[in-house]
Amino acid sequence: QITLKESGPTLVKPTQTLTLTCTFSGFSLSTSGVGVGWIRQPPGKALEWLALIYWNDDKRYSPSLKSRLTITKDTSKNQVVLTMTNMDPVDTATYYCAHRQPGGWVDYWGQGTLVTVSS
Amino acid sequence: DIQMTQSPSSVSASVGDRVTITCRASQGISSWLAWYQQKPGKAPKLLIYAASSLQSGVPSRFSGSGSGTDFTLTISSLQPEDFATYYCQQANSFPQTFGGGTKVEIK
Repeated sequence: QITLKESGPTLVKPTQTLTLTCTFSGFSLSTSGVGVGWIRQPPGKALEWLALIYWNDDKRYSPSLKSRLTITKDTSKNQVVLTMTNMDPVDTATYYCAHRQPGGWVDYWGQGTLVTVSS
Repeated sequence: DIQMTQSPSSVSASVGDRVTITCRASQGISSWLAWYQQKPGKAPKLLIYAASSLQSGVPSRFSGSGSGTDFTLTISSLQPEDFATYYCQQANSFPQTFGGGTKVEIK
């Protein structure tokens, strides 16, 4: 059974750096074709892909946010970490991590964590 | 980025109705399209992948069709548990962009 869970601060101040951790079970991030990604959703708005890391440590970033994002993995701990620098109130959103299967489809999601950016 | 445009943005329907949602990609994506259902306060749930393949455990009243740039999600007979927001997503290239969503509401 695949599960993912996001953890991190619920409140950050403008200009601060956000660090979110995705802890997963039921699969290995060393299996060929597997990836873990981060997706966010501002309140009442649509979903937005942020970053994706593959089993081979290949990484993909949203072009509009690339300069602010870093995604890393710790295969031994079954964790993926996303950092986003220079947080702004417009970054207030629920942040999800998700499992990308070898076929390319995102089939399992974490429950999401709401991050509010406010002074 | 590939832009995904969904229509309508909302639809009011009754239990038992047939509901159709469309999604258009700004460029061809072959069959690299998924549909998700999201209920308030919950994570999205994968319904359809590869444009027309039903995810395991998803009721057969959900179906998808299309290829290239134009896609459709159909709910053949709307059930009370189907009232939710539906998103299309392209998986042809990163970022794997989502449509703006279609909210299916009770009439």
